[in-house]
Amino acid sequence: SAVISQKPSRDICQRGTSLTIQCQVDSQVTMMFWYRQQPGQSLTLIATANQGSEATYESGFVIDKFPISRPNLTFSTLTVSNMSPEDSSIYLCSVDPSATGELFFGEGSRLTVL
Amino acid sequence: AQSVAQPEDQVNVAEGNPLTVKCTYSVSGNPYLFWYVQYPNRGLQFLLKYITGDNLVKGSYGFEAEFNKSQTSFHLKKPSALVSDSALYFCAVRDVRYNFNKFYFGSGTKLNVKP
Repeated sequence: SAVISQKPSRDICQRGTSLTIQCQVDSQVTMMFWYRQQPGQSLTLIATANQGSEATYESGFVIDKFPISRPNLTFSTLTVSNMSPEDSSIYLCSVDPSATGELFFGEGSRLTVL
Repeated sequence: AQSVAQPEDQVNVAEGNPLTVKCTYSVSGNPYLFWYVQYPNRGLQFLLKYITGDNLVKGSYGFEAEFNKSQTSFHLKKPSALVSDSALYFCAVRDVRYNFNKFYFGSGTKLNVKP
């Protein structure tokens, strides 16, 4: 199992600003996953963060918009850059510590962009 | 391409009655199927999964799911619903063909259990 802490839990941001979301896991994991859950919609994988290498982004997501850091095996950050109202979503950090597909999720960071 | 569909945005059941939350899938290769639950203001929690073996899979909180290959379905079930089961349920499929770390989630079904 894994316990994931995300900060901030929610924030209200102004258009054009950037916000960094932190994800802390209570155990070492190889990969950390960042998802976006738009209002009333499903989860979409943004990127996979590996320690010691650049994150792997999914189609439709780019590093300039969503830069990710992974400085060690228990921590990652996702930055949402130059925000617009369309970025208003819940951003979720996730891990699969035993590589079985049983994902563990943080409680999410709810961003509202005005 | 891999995908899952949850045809119902919302399911309403009375406490004590059986519940079913529907999911159909479309995959290339063998399906790795999952159910997750999201309680209000919480992250998602794993409920159960099907990889291989028995078509009836048992999971957490008394939930089970039936894998049906001919109908490409993986419906979530519980014999007797509780008010505390009220939550958002997501079906997901793992992309075992192109990116094993990638999951495709359905749009979610809100389950309302009335006392």
